[in-house]
Amino acid sequence: GAVVSQHPSWVICKSGTSVKIECRSLDFQATTMFWYRQFPKQSLMLMATSNEGSKATYEQGVEKDKFLINHASLTLSTLTVTSAHPEDSSFYICSASSGEQTYNEQFFGPGTRLTVL
Amino acid sequence: GQNIDQPTEMTATEGAIVQINCTYQTSGFNGLFWYQQHAGEAPTFLSYNVLDGLEEKGRFSSFLSRSKGYSYLLLKELQMKDSASYLCAVMDSNYQLIWGAGTKLIIKP
Repeated sequence: GAVVSQHPSWVICKSGTSVKIECRSLDFQATTMFWYRQFPKQSLMLMATSNEGSKATYEQGVEKDKFLINHASLTLSTLTVTSAHPEDSSFYICSASSGEQTYNEQFFGPGTRLTVL
Repeated sequence: GQNIDQPTEMTATEGAIVQINCTYQTSGFNGLFWYQQHAGEAPTFLSYNVLDGLEEKGRFSSFLSRSKGYSYLLLKELQMKDSASYLCAVMDSNYQLIWGAGTKLIIKP
């Protein structure tokens, strides 16, 4: 149980284009979803937290107009990188929490590797 | 500020035992997690500690001392597949995970 999928697994795009990444909880309802970014040899950096049906809470330094997050249902959240630039190239990982466990364990998706040319 | 410290890299021999330490300073504490992350993959959950003491799960054990702000992950009978990064993360008073930079564990035959 507690499977989270991400699509696509990897994407290469031209600078200036927008890219949408989907995160789905397959066998549970995710009250909260998290979006992380990880650069090579660095730790996970939380970008934003989203609860179903409400606006995402962005971490300091993360541009909400550039990284659009939509959490329209209890099983789907999307991250859209708008007007992508080479510096946005990174490994983007989502995680989901059902809130049922006392410690709110986060279940991670497999990640999406974005390369912006 | 909030801070998680763990060694950057460790090397161990197949079949041996290795201990990865993690010290933390956070605003509040609602538990400490250890995750394993293979290169190019997402983290996978290993353990959760919220009370002091040792939690054993197969070849992996995790220890917590809240008074010292300290935890360790103990890996026994090391296998080559254990080569990965091990991430320590603390859940703060807002139930937000604060991540360490990870410890890259290299296993040699």
